[in-house]
Amino acid sequence: KQEVTQIPAALSVPEGENLVLNCSFTDSAIYNLQWFRQDPGKGLTSLLLIQSSQREQTSGRLNASLDKSSGRSTLYIAASQPGDSATYLCAVGHLGTSGSRLTFGEGTQLTVNP
Amino acid sequence: DTEVTQTPKHLVMGMTNKKSLKCEQHMGHRAMYWYKQKAKKPPELMFVYSYEKLSINESVPSRFSPECPNSSLLNLHLHALQPEDSALYLCASSQDRTLTEKLFFGSGTQLSVL
Repeated sequence: KQEVTQIPAALSVPEGENLVLNCSFTDSAIYNLQWFRQDPGKGLTSLLLIQSSQREQTSGRLNASLDKSSGRSTLYIAASQPGDSATYLCAVGHLGTSGSRLTFGEGTQLTVNP
Repeated sequence: DTEVTQTPKHLVMGMTNKKSLKCEQHMGHRAMYWYKQKAKKPPELMFVYSYEKLSINESVPSRFSPECPNSSLLNLHLHALQPEDSALYLCASSQDRTLTEKLFFGSGTQLSVL
């Protein structure tokens, strides 16, 4: 059974810092890994999707890496801003017992202080 | 148009009421999903529709009844809910149910059952 763990559960940093969020998964047989952002009481926004054959993806100040063999992914946020405050979830796409599915981690709640 | 639109945004209902949640997308996606999310927890998959047919039901109680009238619309009919069903209900869509592309979420319906 695929399990996804995110560390840390919460993170508070001053504005301008570079930071790294971590995600690990137990079964390396994945299709891809997505990082999502969720603001309180809102839906999830897909930030980056890394296919299993890729090592990293970049979008603006965000860079996500994937090491499938070790079951790890990191989301790097450069020059953090207060507007980056949100919960970040990683999710792995894989084959489950009833078809393809996403398994989510519990998320990292990020606060960027002005 | 890369939006998934959900209505209503908020819903309060009694345990004897019947209500429906609605979801719409115009991205030509052929897979649509219902997720349930409790506070500070990741989304939990409820149902998956693929090409307008129900392909996954994650053992959801029958008081939740999904419907996919056409390829752009997804409904969730609610009847005789319990207070523990109070949660954020999220609709999502993807190109197809292989989940090789990004998953797009709506902003959710915050449901309170009294």
